[in-house]
This record gives sequence, structure tokens and C-alpha cells, in this order.
Amino acid sequence: RKEVEQDPGPFNVPEGATVAFNCTYSNSASQSFFWYRQDCRKEPKLLMSVYSSGNEDGRFTAQLNRASQYISLLIRDSKLSDSATYLCVVGSGGYQKVTFGTGTKLQVIP
Amino acid sequence: GAVVSQHPSWVICKSGTSVKIECRSLDFQATTMFWYRQFPKQSLMLMATSNEGSKATYEQGVEKDKFLINHASLTLSTLTVTSAHPEDSSFYICSARLSVGGVHNEQFFGPGTRLTVL
Repeated sequence: RKEVEQDPGPFNVPEGATVAFNCTYSNSASQSFFWYRQDCRKEPKLLMSVYSSGNEDGRFTAQLNRASQYISLLIRDSKLSDSATYLCVVGSGGYQKVTFGTGTKLQVIP
Repeated sequence: GAVVSQHPSWVICKSGTSVKIECRSLDFQATTMFWYRQFPKQSLMLMATSNEGSKATYEQGVEKDKFLINHASLTLSTLTVTSAHPEDSSFYICSARLSVGGVHNEQFFGPGTRLTVL
């Protein structure tokens, strides 16, 4: 089983739609969780950290479910500019090493 | 957010030559920097963890004699690809960890270096 698994997509959604991605992780001792966004041929950029209580930033909501070992990202009112690959990142606490998922590609269609 | 720069952004070299890539944290000190490699349509793969003032920790399968890492200061880490071959052509990205001792250890990435070996 991969350490971090994501559905590669692509998810093709119309503008204004709500879309959700899930990511599962295998290491129950993982302590830090992030969603990054990567545009084609660019570096990843931090979208948001994922806290135990969940967090929301504008149209983006992230949730953590430790019991089932997954994190989710919800995007409301999708914009064309949201088209990108969304990377799930999971870290272990002590060593600060993180593992990237393969990413989920989102394409928002006019 | 924290700013990390990389230089060069794009390099083409002949097979057998060595290429040095620099990674700098511009507005913070980074005791730990990470080097990743990303092949087309694949995720980032961690190559090594670079700690200031000590030897880098390489991931399994990454040749430390081929990918030389130096982290001489709190703001600079370098990756040298020695005797480059066409299969080394990839997108090399560095990152620096912002917080020290915290659980939420976000990493901020440089813009990447696209290496093409002819």
C-alpha cells in the first residue's frame, strides 16, 4: 500500500460546481497534513494546512479523519483558475519528512 | 509566505558534465532543506534532506556520490548532479522548512530547476 494515495483524476467540473478530493495515508503516526497546489511545470505551492479540527479558507475547506486515515479538500464555487493538480502531503512529526501523493488533477470547464 | 529561490531555473548540459543548483531561503533561516525530483506526470520524490552543517540524509535508491549536497549556511543549500546522463533530466525542486520544532512543518518550495541532459 502506498504511503499516500490520491485519485489521479482528472476531475472535470463546470464553473461554480463544488468538488471534493480525498487522500488516504497509511502511517497512523502521521502528524502533519497539507494540501498543495501545483500548476503545470511549476513548483508546488501551499494551499492550506489541515488541522485536527478542520479548517476553512474562503472557498476551500480541509478536513482530517484520523480514525479512517484520510484528509479531504472541498472546493466550492469552482473558478477556472482553480484548474491545477492538488497534492496531498503527509508528514511525520519528529523527522519532518513529508510524503507527497501523486496528485489529483482538476479541470474547471467554462 | 516564506520565499525560496532556486538558480538556475533551466539548464541544458552535455552528458558527462556536472551541474550545480542553488537553493536559497530569502527571508528566513532554514536549518533543514529538502531536495526533490519530479519526472513528467509523476509526483515529487524526495531525494535527500539537507541539514545545515552536517551531511545530507539520502533516500533509498539515491546515489550520494552522484547527487552531492552541501548546506553550508542557514540560507543556502546546493545540489550538484555529477557526470549527468540523459536519464537525470528532470525537474529538481528544493524546499525549506519554516517552523522549527513544530508539528505543522510547512515546506515552502523554490521555483524548480529544469535540467535537460543531452
